[in-house]
Amino acid sequence: GDSVTQMEGPVTLSEEAFLTINCTYTATGYPSLFWYVQYPGEGLQLLLKATKADDKGSNKGFEATYRKETTSFHLEKGSVQVSDSAVYFCALLRSGGYNKLIFGAGTRLAVHP
Amino acid sequence: DVKVTQSSRYLVKRTGEKVFLECVQDMDHENMFWYRQDPGLGLRLIYFSYDVKMKEKGDIPEGYSVSREKKERFSLILESASTNQTSMYLCASSFGRPSRTGNQPQHFGDGTRLSIL
Repeated sequence: GDSVTQMEGPVTLSEEAFLTINCTYTATGYPSLFWYVQYPGEGLQLLLKATKADDKGSNKGFEATYRKETTSFHLEKGSVQVSDSAVYFCALLRSGGYNKLIFGAGTRLAVHP
Repeated sequence: DVKVTQSSRYLVKRTGEKVFLECVQDMDHENMFWYRQDPGLGLRLIYFSYDVKMKEKGDIPEGYSVSREKKERFSLILESASTNQTSMYLCASSFGRPSRTGNQPQHFGDGTRLSIL
């Protein structure tokens, strides 16, 4: 079945460092891909999305490119801030159906000053 | 902005109690979902609903039921709470039909942290 695999955390970085969180997926058809972020004590917020191959989603300095050839959707940010400390979830949504999301296990990011 | 509201942020109940978790959305979304979130396991889908009075089992429905009597409200019910149901519960909603840019994302509430003693 469909699945999402994320790199295990925690990821610990200093402020202004470059961030990559790897995400790969297995799915039939042409899923949409999402990154969600969960700040401490809160629910999930949509960070960015991409709906077809080679699409690049971007928001708040984060970017991810939908790579069908490598079935990947890696999250990147050029310069992280302490306020980016959160848990990041990669997810896929298969085309059709009832909009059921399949999530990765989540990656915790801790950014230190 | 979409608003998904869960009735409680924190809840403590006893084993064997019947527990109700409530979720309300204000965007006229067709789809609503209940997840539980546990460390190392990510989010797992319990139940979802694609219309009033309609429901479908997710990946882990055992021990739970749901109710959707009105479009904006989706309730999760723990029929007889057990300690292994201690978890963070997240409600989400989305439009049923894809937009011209593709599938619609789900919008989440802030979660209910439920402890069963």
